[in-house]
Amino acid sequence: KNQVEQSPQSLIILEGKNCTLQCNYTVSPFSNLRWYKQDTGRGPVSLTIMTFSENTKSNGRYTATLDADTKQSSLHITASQLSDSASYICVVMANQAGTALIFGKGTTLSVSS
Amino acid sequence: DAGVTQSPTHLIKTRGQQVTLRCSPKSGHDTVSWYQQALGQGPQFIFQYYEEEERQRGNFPDRFSGHQFPNYSSELNVNALLLGDSALYLCASQRKIGLAGPQFFGPGTRLTVL
Repeated sequence: KNQVEQSPQSLIILEGKNCTLQCNYTVSPFSNLRWYKQDTGRGPVSLTIMTFSENTKSNGRYTATLDADTKQSSLHITASQLSDSASYICVVMANQAGTALIFGKGTTLSVSS
Repeated sequence: DAGVTQSPTHLIKTRGQQVTLRCSPKSGHDTVSWYQQALGQGPQFIFQYYEEEERQRGNFPDRFSGHQFPNYSSELNVNALLLGDSALYLCASQRKIGLAGPQFFGPGTRLTVL
C-alpha cells in the first residue's frame, strides 16, 4: 500500500534554531517527492520537488534531502523564523498512470521567540 | 497575477444538501485538481480535470463530481452531504495534465456540514 509517514507529528523550537523533519514513504514506483508548507487555513505552497536522481535541493533556508534507496526524505530548516510556524507536508508521486499524489499528514512546526 | 482563487471562503450546509465550490486557476494553467483536507490530516486527491474532462480520480464516491469550463475554471459538486464531508477543499492548478509538475494551490474553501 502506498503510504507517506512523517515525523515528528509536531515540533516546538526557539527562533534562530535549526530543525529537521522526516518523511518515510512506501510509494512505488517512485516518481518524485515534494515538500509543501501550509499555513493554518491556507493552501499548501511548494518548497521543493525532487526526482529519483536528485538527493538534495535547497530553497532559501529550506534544504530537502532524498535517499531513494531507503525511501527517506528530510527537510532541514536553518535559522528558523517565527514565520516558519506552519504545517510541513511531504508528498510523493508514483510513476504510474492514474495514480495521484500521496500526501503525508504533515509535521506541525511552532517557532517561538 | 491573482494566482489560484477559490470561492466561497467558508460555507455551512446541512446533511443531505448539495454544494458547489468554484476554482479559477492561475493564469497560463489549464489543469485543475481538487483535494479534500480533513482537520489534522493531509489532503486527499479527489480528481483532476483537463480539457473539460475528468482525467484522474481518487477514492471518492460518485457524490463528488466536477466540471471544467472552456476558460479552465472548475467546479466541485458534492451531493447528499454527510457530516464527514466537513473539510477544507483545496483546488490546485498546473500547466499541463498529469501530476508530475508543480501544482499551485488556492486558499481553499472551508465546508462545514451540520
